[in-house]
Amino acid sequence: GAVVSQHPSWVICKSGTSVKIECRSLDFQATTMFWYRQFPKQSLMLMATSNEGSKATYEQGVEKDKFLINHASLTLSTLTVTSAHPEDSSFYICSARALWPQYFGPGTRLTVL
Amino acid sequence: ELKVEQNPLFLSMQEGKNYTIYCNYSTTSDRLYWYRQDPGKSLESLFVLLSNGAVKQEGRLMASLDTKARLSTLHITAAVHDLSATYFCAVSTGANNLFFGTGTRLTVIP
Repeated sequence: GAVVSQHPSWVICKSGTSVKIECRSLDFQATTMFWYRQFPKQSLMLMATSNEGSKATYEQGVEKDKFLINHASLTLSTLTVTSAHPEDSSFYICSARALWPQYFGPGTRLTVL
Repeated sequence: ELKVEQNPLFLSMQEGKNYTIYCNYSTTSDRLYWYRQDPGKSLESLFVLLSNGAVKQEGRLMASLDTKARLSTLHITAAVHDLSATYFCAVSTGANNLFFGTGTRLTVIP
């Protein structure tokens, strides 16, 4: 099946700093990419949907100025958590698709101290 | 908004036993997915169900879909320890999004 990679897999940062997470579709062109957040022992919550070359669509309650999403090419999307705080600590999972199905990345665990 | 509920939330069972996990959703959907997630890992796709009455089986897991009842089941047969994980159902509509269920954390006890 198709492969989606994320980098880094785990990041620890200090409060107030920004962290960038990359999501790549390795063997297909992803017209749409999704970013999810998962808190411990909870389900996945969709944060935003992005189509290549256009602005991301954020879900209600997700601050677009805090979670910057760039989908610059058909194989790369980035999520930047700006001015991270401990409450932003979570497991971030990206997903990508051309049509269907969606393929999920391995996730990035963010810990903000 | 589409709501997806799973039952039970937590399940502990002995090896060799059978059990069914239920996934109910609130509005019409065109696809239903089952995923497995191991601790600290991302999602592994198990099944996609596209039509009413669809049944798919892989090893000890069998998934079915009843679109009229808006219900999918994931049946576990003769559970083994390796099946311990969290299982999510997810439902899609004609729009972009996948709506995830609450998850069922399964622990199989040797």
